[in-house]
Amino acid sequence: DTEVTQTPKHLVMGMTNKKSLKCEQHMGHRAMYWYKQKAKKPPELMFVYSYEKLSINESVPSRFSPECPNSSLLNLHLHALQPEDSALYLCASSLGRLGNTDSPLHFGNGTRLTVT
Amino acid sequence: GDSVTQMEGPVTLSEEAFLTINCTYTATGYPSLFWYVQYPGEGLQLLLKATKADDKGSNKGFEATYRKETTSFHLEKGSVQVSDSAVYFCALSAPPGQGAQKLVFGQGTRLTINP
Repeated sequence: DTEVTQTPKHLVMGMTNKKSLKCEQHMGHRAMYWYKQKAKKPPELMFVYSYEKLSINESVPSRFSPECPNSSLLNLHLHALQPEDSALYLCASSLGRLGNTDSPLHFGNGTRLTVT
Repeated sequence: GDSVTQMEGPVTLSEEAFLTINCTYTATGYPSLFWYVQYPGEGLQLLLKATKADDKGSNKGFEATYRKETTSFHLEKGSVQVSDSAVYFCALSAPPGQGAQKLVFGQGTRLTINP
């Protein structure tokens, strides 16, 4: 069982809808991440939160809006998406201590998003 | 910038065959290196890691050695099983940003093991 829980597992939305993806971890990790993965490709980093503050935004379009309400939760709010945004969205967390580069990421199983 | 290059797949082997998946990297400084595995319908799982030159990471019969002189981190397993069928990603960790990491992934290698 994964220690990072993502909901929902599957989501179908229209281009005018507003929806949210949710991610939760209870490992005491202080860094949380959103990745986007297209079929047969590696994950692409979207956002990184460190100690509940946004530390990295990889030039993601504003129709994706992240939120970190507390150290255990991470949301991704979706609005006015395009069909090309259909992908697997992965959440991950890591220990996130300053100066640490070898603490591995723990990934959830993802939300499979289809935009119609 | 930092980058990771993996051998192209897909790779198809018979059960009990020897496996090698090549991985080379380009990076400034001394990154940490990782292999992650993704089973169908799941997220990525850490398979093994190495944090400095000549370190050997190992897990579930898989091994990889951090070779600074050849900038490589090849994945090996002596005898593969059907259950090893998955996509394998080599990755390096770029310098930290305020405690978080920025992983740079290779393109992934799809492995299929036939009984």
